[in-house]
Amino acid sequence: EVQLVESGGGLVQPGGSLRLSCAVSGFTFSSYEMNWVRQAPGKGLEWVSYIDSSGSTTSYADSVKGRFTISRDNANNSLFLQMSSLRAGDTAVYYCAREYTPDYWGQGTLVTVSS
Amino acid sequence: QSVLTQPPSASGTPGQRVTISCSGSSFNIGSDYVYWYRQLPGTAPRLLIYSNNQRPSGVPDRFSGSKSGTSASLAISGLRSEDESHYYCAAWDDSLGGVVFGGGTKLTVL
Repeated sequence: EVQLVESGGGLVQPGGSLRLSCAVSGFTFSSYEMNWVRQAPGKGLEWVSYIDSSGSTTSYADSVKGRFTISRDNANNSLFLQMSSLRAGDTAVYYCAREYTPDYWGQGTLVTVSS
Repeated sequence: QSVLTQPPSASGTPGQRVTISCSGSSFNIGSDYVYWYRQLPGTAPRLLIYSNNQRPSGVPDRFSGSKSGTSASLAISGLRSEDESHYYCAAWDDSLGGVVFGGGTKLTVL
């Protein structure tokens, strides 16, 4: 069974940093591209970042470029999102999702940026 | 402002057939597959349709997808009360280097 489990969310002050993790199981992680997608409260889905299967190619939404960094550890079946210079507008549930156009999603982890 | 355009709401009565549209451009829908998701409140999106018109196992054949040019649509036939949900379309966008989503359509079963 494919499983993606996010962790690392929480309350952080504006300007702060947070590192999200996504532990996967049930498939060969190193063979799949991955994404982070977020959803602000009461809003729609917004793509955040993409990484290819080897980790050599990444891309970011303009709204997070220069502040967020996506990475992966294929040996440990894990995906990461390092977030810095956080703003109130980054408040959202963050989902990790498998494939370049997602097929499986995690349950999400809530990031709240507030003083 | 979402890259893909969906109507914010749709509705139908039990047994009816409803369609939800999704409009994009040559950079996304026009050049790649369209995916559809449904999302219940407080839960993660769940894949409904992939590669324009394919259903994952477990998705009833009441749900169907189609694509023409830079537009796509999701059709739900034999509408049921449990179909009330938010529905999102998505496609890879070559110009952005990422997946783009529609703004979502809230389906109400009257």
